Amino acid sequence: QVQLQQWGAGLLKPSETLSLTCAVYGGSFNGYSWGWVRQAPGKRLEWIGDIHHSGTTNYNPALKGRVTISADTSKMQFSLRLNSVTAADTSIYYCARGSITFRGVIFTRVITRYYFDFWGHGHLVTVSS
Amino acid sequence: QSGLTQPPSASGTPGRTVTISCSGGTSNIGSHGVNWYQRFPGTAPRRLFGKDDHRPSGVPERISASVSGTSASLAFTGLQSEDEADYFCAAWDDSLNGPVFGGGTKLSVL
Repeated sequence: QVQLQQWGAGLLKPSETLSLTCAVYGGSFNGYSWGWVRQAPGKRLEWIGDIHHSGTTNYNPALKGRVTISADTSKMQFSLRLNSVTAADTSIYYCARGSITFRGVIFTRVITRYYFDFWGHGHLVTVSS
Repeated sequence: QSGLTQPPSASGTPGRTVTISCSGGTSNIGSHGVNWYQRFPGTAPRRLFGKDDHRPSGVPERISASVSGTSASLAFTGLQSEDEADYFCAAWDDSLNGPVFGGGTKLSVL
């Protein structure tokens, strides 16, 4: 059974950088996309971005410019960095595995579609001065 | 905040049938189907159903899912106390080039 274990700082001050890591146990790292999702209090889940096992990344435009997702395939880990956090970034952050349903080129752009099949337990990150 | 539309809550007594709806559009559910997830407080979300109505092992047969056009439903036939949880839908969205989510439905067993 695939398990995702995530960790990172839980309390940040405004303007600091959020950093979370997710380790994958069971299954393979290759052949999947690996993503981050967050849920602010009282709000719906929001997709942050993902990284394909090949290293290709894809980010939510609403966060683009502040977010970086990276992976260490040898350790079967992937990480999230979100710069210049504010109180609006206070959320439960989830890591998840994306099981790919399509990968190809559409109008010169590489598109990878997937659904999340395994999730981490979530990690509360609070931004407060 | 854009996404899929779900009722915030649903409820029923044990043994009854309860349905949770999820409404989207042509760029998400209409093109790519929907996935349903169950989440208990403080735990990892668990995928219940996917686009092809594939039922992962461990999901009881009294829970079913359907899709029609740009809407989807999750049905509980013979509701049980252990069904009390949060349920959310998700679908790939071509406009976002990423997944969008419903706001979640808290299912209560009275």
